[in-house]
Amino acid sequence: TQLLEQSPQFLSIQEGENLTVYCNSSSVFSSLQWYRQEPGEGPVLLVTVVTGGEVKKLKRLTFQFGDARKDSSLHITAAQPGDTGLYLCAGGRANNLFFGTGTRLTVIP
Amino acid sequence: GAGVSQSPRYKVTKRGQDVALRCDPISGHVSLYWYRQALGQGPEFLTYFNYEAQQDKSGLPNDRFSAERPEGSISTLTIQRTEQRDSAMYRCASSLGAGTGTYEQYFGPGTRLTVT
Repeated sequence: TQLLEQSPQFLSIQEGENLTVYCNSSSVFSSLQWYRQEPGEGPVLLVTVVTGGEVKKLKRLTFQFGDARKDSSLHITAAQPGDTGLYLCAGGRANNLFFGTGTRLTVIP
Repeated sequence: GAGVSQSPRYKVTKRGQDVALRCDPISGHVSLYWYRQALGQGPEFLTYFNYEAQQDKSGLPNDRFSAERPEGSISTLTIQRTEQRDSAMYRCASSLGAGTGTYEQYFGPGTRLTVT
């Protein structure tokens, strides 16, 4: 059983489009991380947010932690083929991480 | 420097056999985690250690699964009397910190276990 549900599960878009991935839970977390995973590799950290309402930007990626620290979103502007991958949110609690169900993004050139 | 390594990378075993999966974390990393990951899904937590102490094993599916990290470095995940439903990618991760902070986890390449 995974505590964090991500939506959508699959997303296929054209290069240049914008998209948002959601990560929701009924549990409160002390922090929220987003990872990206390429085929055959392990997940790699993109960002950590720790304060309710916090927004972080990483080039074309914008991450937001919900006010109640139960949910998060990842927004990608002008998606590129290099953004293709499995995006995972992970909620932190007492030095442990609980991963979301994942969103498989495909950006078509 | 060297990242997290796991061995073997691939393991095929017959149902009923025991298997031992090894994880070598990044040197100096205090915390070590084991996950199981289905294709296209997020990693599912199994257990984790701070130093040699197993902090949480609530994610282990049943008592056929066990893990140890006797010297606070290398860890072994053991599955006894394997069943076909145990087939999965098993991933190990390590992080620098211990305590209540959330630190970046560095993942290994995983061990693909197939039980026939």
